[in-house]
Amino acid sequence: DQQVKQNSPSLSVQEGRISILNCDYTNSMFDYFLWYKKYPAEGPTFLISISSIKDKNEDGRFTVFLNKSAKHLSLHIVPSQPGDSAVYFCAALYSGAGSYQLTFGKGTKLSVIP
Amino acid sequence: DTGVSQDPRHKITKRGQNVTFRCDPISEHNRLYWYRQTLGQGPEFLTYFQNEAQLEKSRLLSDRFSAERPKGSFSTLEIQRTEQGDSAMYLCASKYSRGQETQYFGPGTRLLVL
Repeated sequence: DQQVKQNSPSLSVQEGRISILNCDYTNSMFDYFLWYKKYPAEGPTFLISISSIKDKNEDGRFTVFLNKSAKHLSLHIVPSQPGDSAVYFCAALYSGAGSYQLTFGKGTKLSVIP
Repeated sequence: DTGVSQDPRHKITKRGQNVTFRCDPISEHNRLYWYRQTLGQGPEFLTYFQNEAQLEKSRLLSDRFSAERPKGSFSTLEIQRTEQGDSAMYLCASKYSRGQETQYFGPGTRLLVL
């Protein structure tokens, strides 16, 4: 039973264009969402997060949108750069559980083509 | 300020051997997490500590796995009688118990059981 789903295993985008990575969740208790970027043979690197009380958070080229009613979030990268090529993981947590353990999706591999 | 560090980065062992991994969290972080990532999957929660207390363990953590954080600083994860199914990337993450929910990950230890 996957509570966080990233249905696109891969995505290719031209340099300079927008990359949109999607994530769906099933557990309505989740109240905080994070995006991590991972290069091969390295640990995940935190990118951006959003609380369930917001519907948008922006940090430079990265914007995360949250649609609570649809249980859907997306990460927008504008403009995309070749260095953005990596695997992107969506993660969620329920702060009321106390542990703050993260539940991850399977990831989407983004390739930005020069 | 150094980030989360893990040692070793790679470990190859034969089935049935014991292995131990170490994680050094960010110095002011009192929460420490262990995750496991297998090919094509996102990281999965194994266990976490607040200071020296191990507060939660996933059902993924079989009896062959044990984790410690004796002084509330570094942590060790030991796998006894390794099996081929234990082959994975073992990730450590840390955060402060108050404030942002973001966990910061180390580079991981890649285990291969032959």
